[in-house]
Amino acid sequence: AQSVTQLGSHVSVSEGALVLLRCNYSSSVPPYLFWYVQYPNQGLQLLLKYTSAATLVKGINGFEAEFKKSETSFHLTKPSAHMSDAAEYFCAVSWDGNQFYFGTGTSLTVIP
Amino acid sequence: EAGVVQSPRYKIIEKKQPVAFWCNPISGHNTLYWYRQNLGQGPELLIRYENEEAVDDSQLPKDRFSAERLKGVDSTLKIQPAELGDSAVYLCASSRPGFTDTQYFGPGTRLTVL
Repeated sequence: AQSVTQLGSHVSVSEGALVLLRCNYSSSVPPYLFWYVQYPNQGLQLLLKYTSAATLVKGINGFEAEFKKSETSFHLTKPSAHMSDAAEYFCAVSWDGNQFYFGTGTSLTVIP
Repeated sequence: EAGVVQSPRYKIIEKKQPVAFWCNPISGHNTLYWYRQNLGQGPELLIRYENEEAVDDSQLPKDRFSAERLKGVDSTLKIQPAELGDSAVYLCASSRPGFTDTQYFGPGTRLTVL
C-alpha cells in the first residue's frame, strides 16, 4: 500500500543546531511531497512542497527539503533551530493532487 | 485574506449525542476537505467537495457521519450519534481551483466524547 513514514515521533535539538526531520514514502512512482507544521491548537500550515520541479525545495521560515528518488525520501532540514520552531511537523504525499496521505508526525523540541 | 474559519473550536458531549461542526473556507476556494486527526496521528481525509459535490467520501463512516456543502461555500459535518472513539480534532481545509496541491487548513474543532 502506498504510504508515508516519518522516522522519529519526537526529535530534540539545541537552539542553533541543525534540524533534520525524516520522511520516506513507499511507492515506485514518485508522488507530490509536502511538509506541514502544526503549532498547538492550530491547523496545519504548508512549509514547502515538491511537485516534480527542482529536487531541493526551499520553504518558509528557513526550512528546506530535498527529494531523493533513489532513497524515496524527502527529509526536512533547517541549518539553525530557533525556539519558535518547536511544533509538530507532518510529511504528506499525494499521487493525484487530490488525495493526501499524512505521516504520523514528528514533534520537534528546541532546547535553549 | 481571511483564513479558513471553523466553529466551535472545542466541543464536549456525552456519547450518543449529536454534534455538528461548521466550516467557512477561504473565499474563492471551491475545493473543501474535512479531515479527522486522532491524538498523535496525522490527518485522515473524511470527505472532499468540489463546489457542492462530494467527490470523495469513501472514508466517511456513513452510518453516523454526514456532511453537506450547500451552495458550494460553507460546509457542515455532523455526527449522530457520537461514540467514544469519535474524540479527535476535526480539520477543515480548502484549496483554489487548479491548485488542489496547496491546502489551507482551519484551526480545527477538538471534540471530546464522554
